Amino acid sequence: DQQVKQNSPSLSVQEGRISILNCDYTNSMFDYFLWYKKYPAEGPTFLISISSIKDKNEDGRFTVFLNKSAKHLSLHIVPSQPGDSAVYFCAAKTQGGSEKLVFGKGTKLTVNP
Amino acid sequence: NAGVTQTPKFRILKIGQSMTLQCAQDMNHNYMYWYRQDPGMGLKLIYYSVGAGITDKGEVPNGYNVSRSTTEDFPLRLELAAPSQTSVYFCASSGGALSYEQYFGPGTRLTVT
Repeated sequence: DQQVKQNSPSLSVQEGRISILNCDYTNSMFDYFLWYKKYPAEGPTFLISISSIKDKNEDGRFTVFLNKSAKHLSLHIVPSQPGDSAVYFCAAKTQGGSEKLVFGKGTKLTVNP
Repeated sequence: NAGVTQTPKFRILKIGQSMTLQCAQDMNHNYMYWYRQDPGMGLKLIYYSVGAGITDKGEVPNGYNVSRSTTEDFPLRLELAAPSQTSVYFCASSGGALSYEQYFGPGTRLTVT
């Protein structure tokens, strides 16, 4: 039973355009969401996060939007750069105590020059 | 700061052999985690620890054991290796206390033949 779903295995965009990566979740007890970026042969690195009490968080070119009623979040990258080409994982934390994260399967983003 | 370090980077095991994957962090983080990532899949939690002397099972603990004798180290033991344990293993740590971002090591690629 997948609690965090990234339904697009891959996404290809042109340099300078917007990249939108999507994530859906099923557990209403999730209260914190994170995006990680992973290059080949490296560990994931933290990118941006959002608490369930917010609907938007912005950090430079990266913005995460949260729609709690739809149980949906998205990561926007504007403008996209070739160095953004990587696998992006959505992760969620359950409310209360545990620090454990549940990860989606990832979306491979390719930004073409 | 080295962050989270893992050794070895690569290992090939024969079926039935045992080995220990090493993980260390120098950020004085209380929380540590072991994940495995199979091709095309997200990260699945094997074991985690909320502090020295305290460990607990994650989603896929069978075939593995952990110990946490110090804050810095969190080794993962594989007993009687099986082909199903062929995977990339990531260790991570987080500060806890409302700091949910996990910091990952570079990973260990393990092949069991």
